[in-house]
This record gives sequence, C-alpha cells and structure tokens, in this order.
Amino acid sequence: DAGVTQSPTHLIKTRGQQVTLRCSPKSGHDTVSWYQQALGQGPQFIFQYYEEEERQRGNFPDRFSGHQFPNYSSELNVNALLLGDSALYLCASSLAEGYVDEQYFGPGTRLTVT
Amino acid sequence: AQSVAQPEDQVNVAEGNPLTVKCTYSVSGNPYLFWYVQYPNRGLQFLLKYITGDNLVKGSYGFEAEFNKSQTSFHLKKPSALVSDSALYFCAVFTGRRALTFGSGTRLQVQP
Repeated sequence: DAGVTQSPTHLIKTRGQQVTLRCSPKSGHDTVSWYQQALGQGPQFIFQYYEEEERQRGNFPDRFSGHQFPNYSSELNVNALLLGDSALYLCASSLAEGYVDEQYFGPGTRLTVT
Repeated sequence: AQSVAQPEDQVNVAEGNPLTVKCTYSVSGNPYLFWYVQYPNRGLQFLLKYITGDNLVKGSYGFEAEFNKSQTSFHLKKPSALVSDSALYFCAVFTGRRALTFGSGTRLQVQP
C-alpha cells in the first residue's frame, strides 16, 4: 500500500523565484492538506484540497497557491520566494468522509531559499 | 481559537523507565486531539487520537495518552521507554476547518 509521496526531496531556490512542490496521496485518500514546518517549530496549516478545490486555508499569503488533479494528487506553488519561506513542506492525505480521521504525512520537501 | 501547548522543549528518560510527554489544550467545544512523532528527516507518523469515550487511549508502538477534561490535558505516556523512541513528538488539535493545529513539539531523549 503506497503511502504519501512527495517530490522533490530537497530544493534550493533564490529569492524572488517561484517553486512547485508535488504530492501523491495515500491510496484511497481524496483529500490533501499542505503544512509548512519551519526549523524548530511545529507544522502550520497552509491549505486543504478536496474535489479539486481549495476548501480551507490557513494564515498564509496569496503567494501560496495550490492545485488538485483528478487523480487526487496535488501541487503547492509559492511565488516571489522570501528567505522566510525556507522550511520543510509536508503534504498530508486523508478521507473526506472520515471527518476526524488521522492525516497521513509524506516525508516532506526541504526548501531552502537563498 | 483552538490551540495546544507543549510546555517542555525536551524530556530525558532512561531506557526502561516510564515516560510522559505533556500537552495541554484550549478548545471551544469537543476536543479532537492527536499525537504524532517525527524522526529525523522524516514526515510525521500518527500515534493515537482522542475523539470521545475512554479517557485512556491506546496507540501505536506501545504509546497511550490520558485525556483529562478538568485539567485540559492530553499527556502521552509509555510504561517502558526504548532508545528507539527518541524523536520529536507533537500534540495536535483538530480544528473546525478540518486542519490540524500543532504544538511546538517536545524532543524525547531516551538514554541507554
């Protein structure tokens, strides 16, 4: 049973550039959430996608956007990168009908902005 | 707003001894609480959750958590710690927006 996968593993970008991170959910899951984990902190919720629409959003600027595809995979896009965007980006999947089901996390993408 | 707090940055315990990692919550309505563990360069792994029912919740790898409504706490426990339990532990609360709000994390160090 394939778990949540993310690509790439690591990424180095320059300030002002744009980046796209990818996530494939656990088999059978239809909901994808993205979290940002800065060094030494707990993950912070960015947004959640279900049925190809953004359903919920955390306290992140519009520079952070996303997309969900018909196969439930998802992308996170960040425009105009800032040094403060350097973090581990985690994707989590779950089932929409399981309202309080646990979320399954991928290994993350480590983004470094220089 | 829903939130959790983990008052200890680090917990040290000897192998074979019981361990406790503390978490307190601030929630309006019924709390849905979770514990996750993170190993170096890895994502988060689910340990257990409290939705309703018994105050003692049993989870993966021999961990359990005790829900205490009067003290608004959800402490993670294990009767006998292993060196391999050394990792970063996060308490989280499920928000009405179907997202998780995490605490700041507690690093557990189990000494041989």
